[in-house]
Amino acid sequence: NAGVTQTPKFQVLKTGQSMTLQCAQDMNHEYMSWYRQDPGMGLRLIHYSVGAGITDQGEVPNGYNVSRSTTEDFPLRLLSAAPSQTSVYFCASSTPGTYNEQFFGPGTRLTVL
Amino acid sequence: SQQGEEDPQALSIQEGENATMNCSYKTSINNLQWYRQNSGRGLVHLILIRSNEREKHSGRLRVTLDTSKKSSSLLITASRAADTASYFCATRAAGNKLTFGGGTRVLVKP
Repeated sequence: NAGVTQTPKFQVLKTGQSMTLQCAQDMNHEYMSWYRQDPGMGLRLIHYSVGAGITDQGEVPNGYNVSRSTTEDFPLRLLSAAPSQTSVYFCASSTPGTYNEQFFGPGTRLTVL
Repeated sequence: SQQGEEDPQALSIQEGENATMNCSYKTSINNLQWYRQNSGRGLVHLILIRSNEREKHSGRLRVTLDTSKKSSSLLITASRAADTASYFCATRAAGNKLTFGGGTRVLVKP
């Protein structure tokens, strides 16, 4: 199993540009989520999904859109990038259940100029 | 706002020493988890402790949970250079969402 994969690994955008961060998992996990990690801080939840067709907002959803058309994929869209969105983005997945660990992807480092 | 706060923010120890870090949280939880992040990598799950448990062990890791004080500690015994990483606590209340603290950066010097 590849686990959780994310593409690209690095990305530089100009203010106002749009892009999609890709996330895929091959573990048949129903629960997927996106976090951002800023320097010296922990992870903050952006959006999450409990299954195909179901998404919900996390702690910091503004400026980001998500969709979940399949169990495997959970892309994160930046519609109009801003410098405040410069961060490292992590995708995670898990089976549903209160006592289950989350599996994380390697991250995408995004810089918005 | 972050549910968990780790203390200290950074820790430097010699190889072979023990490393202890603490996590405090604000609201009632169902379980608390510890994750490790090596530089430039994603997080890796280390251990989970349920709210009705007080102590748990996994290899060189020992986790305690005091729900009355809303705090947890992670002890790494006989540290190795490979333990150099950031360590995060994450709390889970109802539902699937995990809330992470700011992390403790641990440096193990050979």
